[in-house]
Amino acid sequence: AQSVTQPDIHITVSEGASLELRCNYSYGATPYLFWYVQSPGQGLQLLLKYFSGDTLVQGIKGFEAEFKRSQSSFNLRKPSVHWSDAAEYFCAVGVNTDKLIFGTGTRLQVFP
Amino acid sequence: DTAVSQTPKYLVTQMGNDKSIKCEQNLGHDTMYWYKQDSKKFLKIMFSYNNKELIINETVPNRFSPKSPDKAHLNLHINSLELGDSAVYFCASSSRGGNNEQFFGPGTRLTVL
Repeated sequence: AQSVTQPDIHITVSEGASLELRCNYSYGATPYLFWYVQSPGQGLQLLLKYFSGDTLVQGIKGFEAEFKRSQSSFNLRKPSVHWSDAAEYFCAVGVNTDKLIFGTGTRLQVFP
Repeated sequence: DTAVSQTPKYLVTQMGNDKSIKCEQNLGHDTMYWYKQDSKKFLKIMFSYNNKELIINETVPNRFSPKSPDKAHLNLHINSLELGDSAVYFCASSSRGGNNEQFFGPGTRLTVL
């Protein structure tokens, strides 16, 4: 069965520090992979997606993610975190019928 | 110019009541979804409609009935509300195809007392 694992429930970083959020997936075919961000009280906004081609994808707000098929991973990175990046981050895999399967989310806290 | 809108934003009701949540998108998408986010922030798909036709139904209780009067609307009606129905419900829309971005509404926080 398809699944997405985000091992880190909660991460705290200082403003200006680098960030990596982990995501591992289980899916038999070539996956469509997404990262969404949810600010408090808001809906989800797409940061970036991968479905083919270059395995390093660039997204909005300075985020990037790298697809590694051998590790079944799609980790999200940002070189320098801003206080406004504090939010909940969700990794998701898209399966054939347009369904998105989400990970359990990682809550990012940013200290000044 | 809201892309995906939901009403109401908050809904507080008693157990046993029937309630509806409305969703509208103005993006011209042909696929719409309902997701449930529980108290631990876990997001799970409930339903998906494509061109007013149900294509995904994820073992949701029969008390939940989606209705799509047209491509731009997908409403969710819930009968006999239970405490466990308390959650945030998100509507989303996309073009057909698993690699297409889903656009999410702001969510409806349902509290059942």
